[in-house]
Amino acid sequence: DIQMTQSPSSLSASVGDRVTITCRATQDIRNSLAWYQQKPGTAPKLLLFAASRLESGVPSRFSGSGSGTDYTLTISDLQPEDFATYYCQHYNPTLPCTFGQGTKVEIK
Amino acid sequence: QVQLVQSGAEVKKPGASVKVSCKASGYMFTSYGLNWVRQAPGQGLEWMGRISGYNGNTKYAQMFQDRVTMTIDTSTNTAYMDLRSLRSDDTAVYFCARNGLSAFDVWGPGTTVIVSS
Repeated sequence: DIQMTQSPSSLSASVGDRVTITCRATQDIRNSLAWYQQKPGTAPKLLLFAASRLESGVPSRFSGSGSGTDYTLTISDLQPEDFATYYCQHYNPTLPCTFGQGTKVEIK
Repeated sequence: QVQLVQSGAEVKKPGASVKVSCKASGYMFTSYGLNWVRQAPGQGLEWMGRISGYNGNTKYAQMFQDRVTMTIDTSTNTAYMDLRSLRSDDTAVYFCARNGLSAFDVWGPGTTVIVSS
């Protein structure tokens, strides 16, 4: 199975900062990459799919990029409601899917 | 609106089984698959498997292959996840999530399963 390595595992940032989270796959996943946000006690929420496509209703300060094995989630102008844990996911409708280990974004 | 409603919390003894339900509404159940994802306390997300809403075909994660059964009831638009031979490390929140075109686009609220003697 394809494994996903996410980094960093945590980071501290201030409101207004630009934050970058990376995700690396063990093989080329051809942009089959999604990003989720999870707040304590709630289900994950889809932010982006196909590496860079924003899910409906998600603010444009969230963006995704990458190709091959390496992908990035960027949050520009970090807002108070963005403090949460973020997960990348290799998504394939017919194969096993895997999540990264998560990145906790905390207030500095 | 599109919604997944899960069954309530469960407390089970080691060795027992648990069956969690996920009732879908607001979309055509047979057009989408459903996934099961679990999250142990303080840990990350772990994919358990998926089931087709069309024909009930399943794909399980290797680590659950021997202990999990996923089923659907198209008459009630409900998916079920049955986990057997429970251990303490199965204590987790279990989520169902719709298999969208490119990601898991709708999630249930989660069902807490506690395994304790």
